[in-house]
Amino acid sequence: AQKVTQAQTEISVVEKEDVTLDCVYETRDTTYYLFWYKQPPSGELVFLIRRNSFDEQNEISGRYSWNFQKSTSSFNFTITASQVVDSAVYFCALGRRPNTGNQFYFGTGTSLTVIP
Amino acid sequence: GAGVSQTPSNKVTEKGKYVELRCDPISGHTALYWYRQSLGQGPEFLIYFQGTGAADDSGLPNDRFFAVRPEGSVSTLKIQRTQQEDSAVYLCASSLVHVGTGEETQYFGPGTRLLVL
Repeated sequence: AQKVTQAQTEISVVEKEDVTLDCVYETRDTTYYLFWYKQPPSGELVFLIRRNSFDEQNEISGRYSWNFQKSTSSFNFTITASQVVDSAVYFCALGRRPNTGNQFYFGTGTSLTVIP
Repeated sequence: GAGVSQTPSNKVTEKGKYVELRCDPISGHTALYWYRQSLGQGPEFLIYFQGTGAADDSGLPNDRFFAVRPEGSVSTLKIQRTQQEDSAVYLCASSLVHVGTGEETQYFGPGTRLLVL
């Protein structure tokens, strides 16, 4: 079965602090994809990153960085020097290859509040 | 715009009525998905189209829900005899599936907020 767990329901940080959002996934597939999406108060899900299961290289994009560890089935997301505009709900998702079904499985989200 | 669009943005209906929700995917995207998101939850898969056909409709909760994509572009999600538990945000996403690797990234629309009274 496919499952994504985001244990942190809500996080509050003061502006300029670093914050890490946790994501743990379960799958029996050998090839899969992991995603992070941001959902601001406006409601539209914004794509942030996709990571293929065979590529464990960590990635940095500006203030955002992602740590993918297959050994622990985790795909954590860190925001450095947080800003008020980072306040949103963040979703981690697991995607499958077409030959095993194209469903995306989303976690329940982590609501991040950055306090000025 | 170049993104996924959904209409209406909000829909209020009475229990038992029929509703249609429309999704315009990104031009050229062959794959289209419908999700349902309840308050405080992540999106829940409903149905997936590759071209005109529903490749996977295993997420549809019951036979009151149906979706079509007759020309492989615009899709309509149809809900018959609406119930209060159908109240949610209905999200549409489209993607371009890489033929060789199957890789894809889904891009979401703003959603339709459905309220069944």
